[in-house]
Amino acid sequence: GAGVSQTPSNKVTEKGKYVELRCDPISGHTALYWYRQSLGQGPEFLIYFQGTGAADDSGLPNDRFFAVRPEGSVSTLKIQRTERGDSAVYLCASSLVQRGEYNEQFFGPGTRLTVL
Amino acid sequence: GEDVEQSLFLSVREGDSSVINCTYTDSSSTYLYWYKQEPGAGLQLLTYIFSNMDMKQDQRLTVLLNKKDKHLSLRIADTQTGDSAIYFCAALPPGGATNKLIFGTGTLLAVQP
Repeated sequence: GAGVSQTPSNKVTEKGKYVELRCDPISGHTALYWYRQSLGQGPEFLIYFQGTGAADDSGLPNDRFFAVRPEGSVSTLKIQRTERGDSAVYLCASSLVQRGEYNEQFFGPGTRLTVL
Repeated sequence: GEDVEQSLFLSVREGDSSVINCTYTDSSSTYLYWYKQEPGAGLQLLTYIFSNMDMKQDQRLTVLLNKKDKHLSLRIADTQTGDSAIYFCAALPPGGATNKLIFGTGTLLAVQP
C-alpha cells in the first residue's frame, strides 16, 4: 500500500510570502503529526492531530504557523509571512493507534522549504 | 521536558559491528525508538524498546537499555555499506494526550568498504 506522501517535495519562496505544505497520510491512520527538521538536527515536533482536531499544537513556533485536517485525512501546514529561519525540511507522519500503545509513526519523505 | 542526545559521527569498516549511543533525561519515557534516515528518504523505524525491557534483538540489530543511567544503544552486527545513514534515537515521554516523539540530533554512520 501507499505510504505517507507529501507535496511539494521542494518549495522555494521569498521572505514574507505564504506557503502551504500538504500531507497525505496512510489510509485509515487517525493520528497525524508534523515535525520540522533543520539542517544537522533531529526532527522537532510541531503539531499532532487525532482525527480532525489538533490534540497538541505545543510545538508550533508562533502564530504564523497553522495546520488543518478538515476531514480527518489530508492535512495542510500553512506558514504566513515566511522568514529565512523557517527554511527546513517539514516532515509529516501518521500512525494507527493512540497513546498507550506501541506507536509506529510512518514518515513521509518531507517537503524541503527554502525561504530566500 | 525530555532531552535526547547522541554522538554526531561514527565510522566503521564493513563487516565490523557498529554501536550507536544515546542518552535521554526523562526516566519515565515509555518507549524508545531507533529510526534510520537515508538521503532523500523518509525516516524509517528500525526497532523500538519498551521501558520495562533491557534488551531487544532483531536480526542484526540489538538494542540495550540502561534505565538507571538513561542510556540506550543500538548495535548493528556485520555492518554493511547499505547501513550508511543517519540514525536517530527518539523517546516517547509519558503523560498528556500526545504521541509526540523527542528526537536526538542523529548519528551519521559511515561504513568504509
